[in-house]
Amino acid sequence: EAQVTQNPRYLITVTGKKLTVTCSQNMNHEYMSWYRQDPGLGLRQIYYSMNVEVTDKGDVPEGYKVSRKEKRNFPLILESPSPNQTSLYFCASSLISKGADGYTFGSGTRLTVV
Amino acid sequence: QQQVKQSPQSLIVQKGGIPIINCAYENTAFDYFPWYQQFPGKGPALLIAIRPDVSEKKEGRFTISFNKSAKQFSLHIMDSQPGDSATYFCAAPWGGGADGLTFGKGTHLIIQP
Repeated sequence: EAQVTQNPRYLITVTGKKLTVTCSQNMNHEYMSWYRQDPGLGLRQIYYSMNVEVTDKGDVPEGYKVSRKEKRNFPLILESPSPNQTSLYFCASSLISKGADGYTFGSGTRLTVV
Repeated sequence: QQQVKQSPQSLIVQKGGIPIINCAYENTAFDYFPWYQQFPGKGPALLIAIRPDVSEKKEGRFTISFNKSAKQFSLHIMDSQPGDSATYFCAAPWGGGADGLTFGKGTHLIIQP
């Protein structure tokens, strides 16, 4: 089944403790993105990648890092999480640039930073 | 900087009614306009998309209307059903060399039986 897999689904952590949210897709997509979803703010892009070793900032990149060492994986790294990073995170991938073929989203990771 | 503005924030419609969700955009260089549907506990999924060279597109009970001069596009759901209850997002692709989409803030739609 074609899918984007995120792990973990739920995570509670403390301020300052580094964490990684993994994202893997099995569709050989070149384009991948991370979004965060907050009530009343919709979906905002954090980082995107257009191919292996090609990443760039989205709309709200502060406090986040990403890497793209393999085509299928696009982890999101929070080096020193803070409470304002409490959010619902989605990884997405597409075959065509800018999601013209439709983005496939993962099921989300709900992160709480206390 | 938000490039698509979506309204209303929430909407309640009786079964069989026609909910309408509106989006206004700023950048005239967008080359397609998608709508995404999200159910609780799931990621968004592409529902329907339109290119700016057409004024309307239908897929089943879902229709996008596009008004280029007004820089607006809207989603209509015909014969709405309780199963259509979800959050709907309009979106547009980022301009220039950036990849990804900029999304509206979402509309929480409830279809009452």
